[in-house]
Amino acid sequence: QQPVQSPQAVILREGEDAVINCSSSKALYSVHWYRQKHGEAPVFLMILLKGGEQKGHDKISASFNEKKQQSSLYLTASQLSYSGTYFCGTGEDDKIIFGKGTRLHILP
Amino acid sequence: DTGVSQDPRHKITKRGQNVTFRCDPISEHNRLYWYRQTLGQGPEFLTYFQNEAQLEKSRLLSDRFSAERPKGSFSTLEIQRTEQGDSAMYLCASRGEMNTEAFFGQGTRLTVV
Repeated sequence: QQPVQSPQAVILREGEDAVINCSSSKALYSVHWYRQKHGEAPVFLMILLKGGEQKGHDKISASFNEKKQQSSLYLTASQLSYSGTYFCGTGEDDKIIFGKGTRLHILP
Repeated sequence: DTGVSQDPRHKITKRGQNVTFRCDPISEHNRLYWYRQTLGQGPEFLTYFQNEAQLEKSRLLSDRFSAERPKGSFSTLEIQRTEQGDSAMYLCASRGEMNTEAFFGQGTRLTVV
């Protein structure tokens, strides 16, 4: 079953922060985050495998709350290059089921 | 390694025709996935292979769709008797192990007229 992402779209000014949420009605075993720019392939950001795990690189980080069956992606001090659509995916039987995405637009 | 490559990048076909797409995964990756993506939606799982074995096919997938990975290397996705609703971006991804990064190809954009 497809995870649910919120919000559907975000518009920020450069330097502002954003949070993208991903929730599932089923138990979560792993959460995958990808970013896709217009006309390009999705690009891997990070994967979280354990409840309570937090990961990050540069100014993008994520957390995984296994009990609540949800994950959040945090973008701090956003840059123009962060624009794109962010997808969370849930690991299910060796495949990734993706949500509908959150469109992020950064204004200069 | 040049990453995952897909061919063709674009395909325009008339309704009712058959089309075939090819995906060359990263060479050491034994897992290969096909997804379909329409405008404003996330990638929708179609099917996947571990080596040459097709392990799962989406229940939503019409029997007009078939995929092969004959030698556990490249894969083909065929759509028979195409319909306008088949118009989409078809993405291929590969990875080496479960719960690792999946690498996506640039996709094949299919337009059925």
